[in-house]
Amino acid sequence: GAGVSQSPSNKVTEKGKDVELRCDPISGHTALYWYRQSLGQGLEFLIYFQGNSAPDKSGLPSDRFSAERTGGSVSTLTIQRTQQEDSAVYLCASSYGSWVEQFFGPGTRLTVL
Amino acid sequence: SQQGEEDPQALSIQEGENATMNCSYKTSINNLQWYRQNSGRGLVHLILIRSNEREKHSGRLRVTLDTSKKSSSLLITASRAADTASYFCATDQGGSEKLVFGKGTKLTVNP
Repeated sequence: GAGVSQSPSNKVTEKGKDVELRCDPISGHTALYWYRQSLGQGLEFLIYFQGNSAPDKSGLPSDRFSAERTGGSVSTLTIQRTQQEDSAVYLCASSYGSWVEQFFGPGTRLTVL
Repeated sequence: SQQGEEDPQALSIQEGENATMNCSYKTSINNLQWYRQNSGRGLVHLILIRSNEREKHSGRLRVTLDTSKKSSSLLITASRAADTASYFCATDQGGSEKLVFGKGTKLTVNP
């Protein structure tokens, strides 16, 4: 079956602009995660959705970052007023529950000029 | 803060040799997972070991877990050039539903 997909694969934007990153999880997966990975670094947790529960937003670095998940499926990560330090690869993952393996998408490489 | 810390940061070996990577963590866990990442993009799950398990095998992979030392190791036997990638350990923090990843070990297998 289809894996996790993300779009766009690459995004170049100017400082101060807003961007939206999309994630399509594997059908039937109840959990969805967003991570950020800066060059040569590990993954930084951003936000976690599980079913209809309130999302865990504890990893969002500032109020410029927000995410939503519509209908328990597709998720959008929005970054407002982008800054150069937002440049990174943004990875989405989904899983069929908690404490199990996560399936990752290919990521969106964001470059803020 | 990083829950998992991999060691070494980089490892270069010859094809056919074994590669061992270590991971240390700080808090209690439900399970520990290892992932592989090629070319800085999506990660692929390799193996999950639960806190009540001490060793697990999957093909050429062997993972050990020592909860008393809060450490894990990943052994890749008979390495191949295709094993060249970054390897990350990931843990939950005391049962949290989110994973915390280390910075990874960059493995290079020379043909």
